[in-house]
Amino acid sequence: QLHLQESGPGLVKPSETLSLTCTVFGDSIRSSAYYWGWIRQSPGKGLEWIASILYTGSSYYSQSLESRVTISVDTSKNHFSLRLSSVTAADTAVYYCARHLIVVPAGMDKFDFWGQGTLVTVSS
Amino acid sequence: SYELTQPPSVSVSPGQTARITCSGDALPKKYAYWYQQKSGQAPVLVIYEDTKRPSGIPERFSGSSSGTTATLTISGARVEDDGDYYCYSTDSSGIHRVFGGGTKLTVL
Repeated sequence: QLHLQESGPGLVKPSETLSLTCTVFGDSIRSSAYYWGWIRQSPGKGLEWIASILYTGSSYYSQSLESRVTISVDTSKNHFSLRLSSVTAADTAVYYCARHLIVVPAGMDKFDFWGQGTLVTVSS
Repeated sequence: SYELTQPPSVSVSPGQTARITCSGDALPKKYAYWYQQKSGQAPVLVIYEDTKRPSGIPERFSGSSSGTTATLTISGARVEDDGDYYCYSTDSSGIHRVFGGGTKLTVL
């Protein structure tokens, strides 16, 4: 049974870097078919895709966040991570990790399993 | 950037058919995906590639797409279908991955 678990600080100060990790249980992150992604949801708002990464390190980034985001993968620990720099109150959100199937020639692009999410608050 | 447009809210009585639309310029060329999010929970995929239903999703959920509009239909809506529904797709280049603004479905 696939299970994704987000972890990291729930409180980050403005201008600092937000760091989160998603550990994958029940599947190998080296599964060649799948990317692994981050999506966030500001309080009372909609969903926003942030970035996704393949076990090889190949990655996609949201253009609106790309300058502040780093996504990385550690296959030995079966987890992947997100770093978001220079945070402000606007980055306060529930951050979800998810398995992301991308098959460009077939037009497939879906998040099929999600973690439960973790709330990160940006405040001094 | 690219946008997907959904109505903010849809309301139906139990047993009625609920239809939620999603409009986007690239939808004639790109698949739409639909996610259900109940209060305090993570989103769940209910329709993928316009019309396909994942294992475990009830048959009352169906999807269609025509031109620049994709539609999620819930036939015989139940009280437990109450929640927020988001469409998801990409622009024609595949660079911009976006969710619609979400539609709050009330079944009451």
